[in-house]
Amino acid sequence: GEDVEQSLFLSVREGDSSVINCTYTDSSSTYLYWYKQEPGAGLQLLTYIFSNMDMKQDQRLTVLLNKKDKHLSLRIADTQTGDSAIYFCAERNTGGFKTIFGAGTRLFVKA
Amino acid sequence: DGGITQSPKYLFRKEGQNVTLSCEQNLNHDAMYWYRQDPGQGLRLIYYSQIVNDFQKGDIAEGYSVSREKKESFPLTVTSAQKNPTAFYLCASTSLAGSTDTQYFGPGTRLTVL
Repeated sequence: GEDVEQSLFLSVREGDSSVINCTYTDSSSTYLYWYKQEPGAGLQLLTYIFSNMDMKQDQRLTVLLNKKDKHLSLRIADTQTGDSAIYFCAERNTGGFKTIFGAGTRLFVKA
Repeated sequence: DGGITQSPKYLFRKEGQNVTLSCEQNLNHDAMYWYRQDPGQGLRLIYYSQIVNDFQKGDIAEGYSVSREKKESFPLTVTSAQKNPTAFYLCASTSLAGSTDTQYFGPGTRLTVL
């Protein structure tokens, strides 16, 4: 079945880059998303990438997609303490009504 | 402002009681979803609805019920049959006419069973 896996924790120093990794199993995935969740809040869409793209950059965020290995990563440049949150990777098929979420990676940013 | 609202933010339930969580959206989105989030776990889909007066079970529907009488509203009832209801509940919606099918989330309701 469909599955999305992420490591549970990542700790970085303020000003460093953070790289959060995700693997997925469904090769027919069309849309891949990164969401951010701050404590006690809902999920906020950070960025998304279509499966026919290899990379997408949006200000401090860079998404890399390796379709062959079914690997997605989110790089946050110049990580700030405000970036401390849980980051969810998610995937969805064309015409599908379900989005499959990973368990989330908790990012700790040390000052 | 367009968005998704959930109420209440915190809810306490005694064992054996049914409680209803509210979810309203003014984004004119077609589809709405309910997820449950437990610590250290991803989001698990409870129910979803693509159109008014129709809804489908997700992966963990047992002990829950929903209705979709209006496009804007998708309330979730946690029944006494749900044995472990303490969790964070998230509602989401998406426009099926959009190009990215992105889900937009409400702020969540934290349910605690006393």
